[in-house]
Amino acid sequence: ILNVEQSPQSLHVQEGDSTNFTCSFPSSNFYALHWYRWETAKSPEALFVMTLNGDEKKKGRISATLNTKEGYSYLYIKGSQPEDSATYLCASLSGTYKYIFGTGTRLKVLA
Amino acid sequence: EAGVTQFPSHSVIEKGQTVTLRCDPISGHDNLYWYRRVMGKEIKFLLHFVKESKQDESGMPNNRFLAERTGGTYSTLKVQPAELEDSGVYFCASSPGQAEETQYFGPGTRLLVL
Repeated sequence: ILNVEQSPQSLHVQEGDSTNFTCSFPSSNFYALHWYRWETAKSPEALFVMTLNGDEKKKGRISATLNTKEGYSYLYIKGSQPEDSATYLCASLSGTYKYIFGTGTRLKVLA
Repeated sequence: EAGVTQFPSHSVIEKGQTVTLRCDPISGHDNLYWYRRVMGKEIKFLLHFVKESKQDESGMPNNRFLAERTGGTYSTLKVQPAELEDSGVYFCASSPGQAEETQYFGPGTRLLVL
């Protein structure tokens, strides 16, 4: 693939449910993958920077994994809370040192 | 420590006018990036400064867009003359050193061209 693709586009879950979404990116000349959390009218907030195949990172209830050989990353949220509602963006950095963003997954957690 | 700031937060102008957006990165960050998000689409890279030098400006849409970073501190992005399709949110981000490091985003400038 040449672009960064995220799925699903949007997602509604109940409070307490666990959820995950996918970021697919070009695997050639890969340098890094970034995950951001973005609430409307605010700055995208950096969650993780991942560089190594097999990387797994965790921040509270949110974790992410990386597979650079097949070009995908998963973001997991355990026990979703209403405050987790946001758009989750991933961005891939390749050999051209240019970030390519996906369109994001819009998560809504229902109380 | 202050984050990345952008000014103005919103701008509404008419087609053909000029607008200048400003970005103040986190102090000491050599890398400064401009991005644009048109409604419903993904955030797209515009250009990258390392200090005062343009490292990569391949994402700039056309020559109506001019970015500067005099002295390697704040940066401006001028659109002249503005067209309807320039409407969107313009984000600035900065990072301290290596390109793969975390980028810290500003809140964006929402530009509407009528």
